[in-house]
Amino acid sequence: AQRVTQPEKLLSVFKGAPVELKCNYSYSGSPELFWYVQYSRQRLQLLLRHISRESIKGFTADLNKGETSFHLKKPFAQEEDSAMYYCALRSGTYKYIFGTGTRLKVLA
Amino acid sequence: NAGVTQTPKFRVLKTGQSMTLLCAQDMNHEYMYWYRQDPGMGLRLIHYSVGEGTTAKGEVPDGYNVSRLKKQNFLLGLESAAPSQTSVYFCASSYSMGQGGYTFGSGTRLTVV
Repeated sequence: AQRVTQPEKLLSVFKGAPVELKCNYSYSGSPELFWYVQYSRQRLQLLLRHISRESIKGFTADLNKGETSFHLKKPFAQEEDSAMYYCALRSGTYKYIFGTGTRLKVLA
Repeated sequence: NAGVTQTPKFRVLKTGQSMTLLCAQDMNHEYMYWYRQDPGMGLRLIHYSVGEGTTAKGEVPDGYNVSRLKKQNFLLGLESAAPSQTSVYFCASSYSMGQGGYTFGSGTRLTVV
């Protein structure tokens, strides 16, 4: 079955500490994975996608096919990073499967 | 360039009432989607459209209907609202079969009492 799992509902870290938001997937084909961010009462925004291998706002994510993971990382968390983060898998031609999300709280 | 616009932003309905949520995009995207967002459940696909005049069921279509009469608009209808439909509804659109990711609207917070 196609599935995206984000095991942590809430992750709290102190400002300046490293952050890792976990995402695991189950997919039989070649996966395309994305991270979306939703700041308080705002729309979801695309943060990054594994195809681009980019770093956005200091965040990076590497696709590990062996571990079927796409964890989101940032070396030094900032208070403005506090938000809801969703991992998403492109399923089929144009549909996505979203994880249940992880709320990141960066404490001062 | 507005992107994806949803109206209304908030609505309270009584059980059994009907309403239509409007999603409009100005990016000439072929693909449009309606999701609902519930605590602890992430985003679940209600219906989607791969082009003008076409719609298809997603993961949780029961109790909803959709129409895509114009390429830029995707309407979500609730014929007889139920408290279980209390949720935040997000519309999204994508180009080129979604490789570039979605562009989301700002959401509609619907409460059914």
